[in-house]
Amino acid sequence: GAVVSQHPSWVICKSGTSVKIECRSLDFQATTMFWYRQFPKQSLMLMATSNEGSKATYEQGVEKDKFLINHASLTLSTLTVTSAHPEDSSFYICSVSILLGIQYFGAGTRLSVL
Amino acid sequence: AQKVTQAQTEISVVEKEDVTLDCVYETRDTTYYLFWYKQPPSGELVFLIRRNSFDEQNEISGRYSWNFQKSTSSFNFTITASQVVDSAVYFCALSEGSGGYQKVTFGIGTKLQVIP
Repeated sequence: GAVVSQHPSWVICKSGTSVKIECRSLDFQATTMFWYRQFPKQSLMLMATSNEGSKATYEQGVEKDKFLINHASLTLSTLTVTSAHPEDSSFYICSVSILLGIQYFGAGTRLSVL
Repeated sequence: AQKVTQAQTEISVVEKEDVTLDCVYETRDTTYYLFWYKQPPSGELVFLIRRNSFDEQNEISGRYSWNFQKSTSSFNFTITASQVVDSAVYFCALSEGSGGYQKVTFGIGTKLQVIP
């Protein structure tokens, strides 16, 4: 069965609105989760490392005020795309690292900003 | 800095043919992990294999096999007797370090199309 649950799987929103994406670790306590972004026909780009109980670590070039990450519990991390614009349209994927290096991925969220 | 190169962006094979997906990596660490993930059209990445830098044994799992060659920094993936369900994007990935939650660097992916 699935290790990671990501919700919603698809969201369409108007420009200027904020969108929250949830990532839940179903069977494991996850002190660390990862958020990725994937453009069509491209690889996964790590956006940030989400740490339970502390601030997320963002990769260079990722706006922390634009992509708010909250990891309030050992099983839930959320990514909020604030004031979304069409250029934020993408496929967002979260993952949980349980065993050394192995990451289990959520099903992803397709965000379309009109 | 670590780097993963998948030189084949797209491959098409006819069903039942064997196909090898190439992966070349760069790292300065002596301890690292290599991975292969499958991303079917649905989008969810599926973990296939992890190999640590100290274990060069090749591995076979059903129709899948992996060849790890440290001398050439390669970790190639072969699918024998390919099937239509194997059509997907396959990512090779690398993480460095021996513990904790290490960041993983993904290659650009190889899109495999198996034609019936």
